[in-house]
Amino acid sequence: DQQVKQNSPSLSVQEGRISILNCDYTNSMFDYFLWYKKYPAEGPTFLISISSIKDKNEDGRFTVFLNKSAKHLSLHIVPSQPGDSAVYFCAASYDSGYSTLTFGKGTMLLVSP
Amino acid sequence: DTGVSQNPRHKITKRGQNVTFRCDPISEHNRLYWYRQTLGQGPEFLTYFQNEAQLEKSRLLSDRFSAERPKGSFSTLEIQRTEQGDSAMYLCASSLASGGGMKTQYFGPGTRLLVL
Repeated sequence: DQQVKQNSPSLSVQEGRISILNCDYTNSMFDYFLWYKKYPAEGPTFLISISSIKDKNEDGRFTVFLNKSAKHLSLHIVPSQPGDSAVYFCAASYDSGYSTLTFGKGTMLLVSP
Repeated sequence: DTGVSQNPRHKITKRGQNVTFRCDPISEHNRLYWYRQTLGQGPEFLTYFQNEAQLEKSRLLSDRFSAERPKGSFSTLEIQRTEQGDSAMYLCASSLASGGGMKTQYFGPGTRLLVL
């Protein structure tokens, strides 16, 4: 049973537009959520995180929104750049991040010039 | 570079051979995690250490897998009698599990294992 789901395997966006990546979770014990970016043959790179006590966190072009009642989070990238093309993983943890991470299957983002 | 490092980056082996991977975490981090990623999947948890103590093991970690972190610094993951199904990217991550705030895990570049 997948506790973290990324239902869109891929997303294509034009440079300069907004990219929105979605993630749903089922375990209400999760209280810390993270987004990682991964290039082929490399490890995941931490992008941004959000605690369950917040509903939004911003870092430059990246914003994560959390809707606890819907058990849904999203990552917004504005403006999108070709260098953002990668696989994006949503991950969730409990105990304020002390627990291990549960990952979704990832969404491949392609940003075209 | 003060990030997480892993060696080797690639390993090709024949079925039945033993392999060992090494992970060096970020120096002040006391937690070290191992994950495995197969094609089309997200990383899946295998095991983790706090200092030298192995605190949790996933059911994915069969008896052929063993991990150590003898001095609470680097860690090794050994797979004995490798099988073709062990082919995957093995990822190491570390975090600082003390003090307040959320605990972010930082990943290394991974070791890509191919079992022929």
